[in-house]
Amino acid sequence: TQTVSQSDAHVTVFEGDSVELRCNYSYGGSIYLSWYIQHHGRGLQFLLKYYSGNPVVQGVNGFEAEFSKSDSSFHLRKASVHWSDSAVYFCAVRASSSFSKLVFGQGTSLSVVP
Amino acid sequence: NAGVIQTPRHKVTGKGQEATLWCEPISGHSAVFWYRQTIVQGLEFLTYFRNQAPIDDSGMPKERFSAQMPNQSHSTLKIQSTQPQDSAVYLCASSGRDWGGPDTLYFGAGTRLSVL
Repeated sequence: TQTVSQSDAHVTVFEGDSVELRCNYSYGGSIYLSWYIQHHGRGLQFLLKYYSGNPVVQGVNGFEAEFSKSDSSFHLRKASVHWSDSAVYFCAVRASSSFSKLVFGQGTSLSVVP
Repeated sequence: NAGVIQTPRHKVTGKGQEATLWCEPISGHSAVFWYRQTIVQGLEFLTYFRNQAPIDDSGMPKERFSAQMPNQSHSTLKIQSTQPQDSAVYLCASSGRDWGGPDTLYFGAGTRLSVL
């Protein structure tokens, strides 16, 4: 069984600051990792994903994430946040075997102060 | 492309009543997922279909919840004898492939169910 842990429930930064949202996973086999964003009252939207190759993956709106097998992590980063980045961010993992479901972390609420 | 469409956006039911939630996946998508979202539990997987066939319903409360996908264009989640603890946002998502790879899920806006 795969599990996902997002250790920070809430993160507050100022506009223009950099931010890192942390994600750690637990699973013994091969996995796919992704990040999704949810603005208030909306469904989730895909940001980026990793499954092989370069451990740093680029996503939409300047977001990137770095996979680390040794740390079992897939942290999300942005160099300079905008107030519109305020949302809840979910890390997700699924086993690479066919038909497996996507399991989400608890989410990190990011507040960007203008 | 209108995206994944969920109806209704909000539903209020009395305790013990039945609730049916509808989902129209993106045209051509072959995998459909249902999740439940609450403040306390976060995002909980309920069930999913691939090419209309039920694949995994391990997250479904067995006694009162059921899901169907009678055709490619819609799926329903039915909750019988609703209870206050069923109050949540129910999210439907679809995926464009046969869910055999690192595929992206496209989510609807959700149905907020309130059980009084």
